[in-house]
Amino acid sequence: DVKVTQSSRYLVKRTGEKVFLECVQDMDHENMFWYRQDPGLGLRLIYFSYDVKMKEKGDIPEGYSVSREKKERFSLILESASTNQTSMYLCASSPTLGHTDTQYFGPGTRLTVL
Amino acid sequence: SQQGEEDPQALSIQEGENATMNCSYKTSINNLQWYRQNSGRGLVHLILIRSNEREKHSGRLRVTLDTSKKSSSLLITASRAADTASYFCATDGGNTPLVFGKGTRLSVIA
Repeated sequence: DVKVTQSSRYLVKRTGEKVFLECVQDMDHENMFWYRQDPGLGLRLIYFSYDVKMKEKGDIPEGYSVSREKKERFSLILESASTNQTSMYLCASSPTLGHTDTQYFGPGTRLTVL
Repeated sequence: SQQGEEDPQALSIQEGENATMNCSYKTSINNLQWYRQNSGRGLVHLILIRSNEREKHSGRLRVTLDTSKKSSSLLITASRAADTASYFCATDGGNTPLVFGKGTRLSVIA
């Protein structure tokens, strides 16, 4: 079975802190994605990556950056956390370079910024 | 970007009843997928239906796709309390990643 793990289930940070959210997948998937999920807004794509060291902006990249130094790991970085970044963050991966493959999700990280 | 929209937003039924959720989208697609999310967890893929398919089954799940109406439905038969979750449709945008709808929240009451 595909396993996507995220470094923390719950995280509390202060405004202005630099925050790292880590995601690791164990199935050699090409694609990895970061979403945030807010009540009433559904899932919104922040960034995605089709290959190592490659990244593409999603719908809401402002305030975020990403890093993919190894194929299995995709990190989301909040350079200076703000209260409006309090949210559930979901990482996903999919097998091939096709955009429409089935996605496999991690359990999510609920981030609170105080 | 195009987005599937699920209807209704919330649905409450008794155990044993059937649950039907609908998804509408705006532009042509290659395929449509349905996912389930248990409270506070990640999404789990349920089923994928391609644009040239009209109906697909998987266990107690039945998905239909009507490309002329740009809509899909997910039917869960003989629902159980364990089916309580949010259900999302996801559509492909051609050269862009999947786009998820806002979901239908299903409550199955024992």
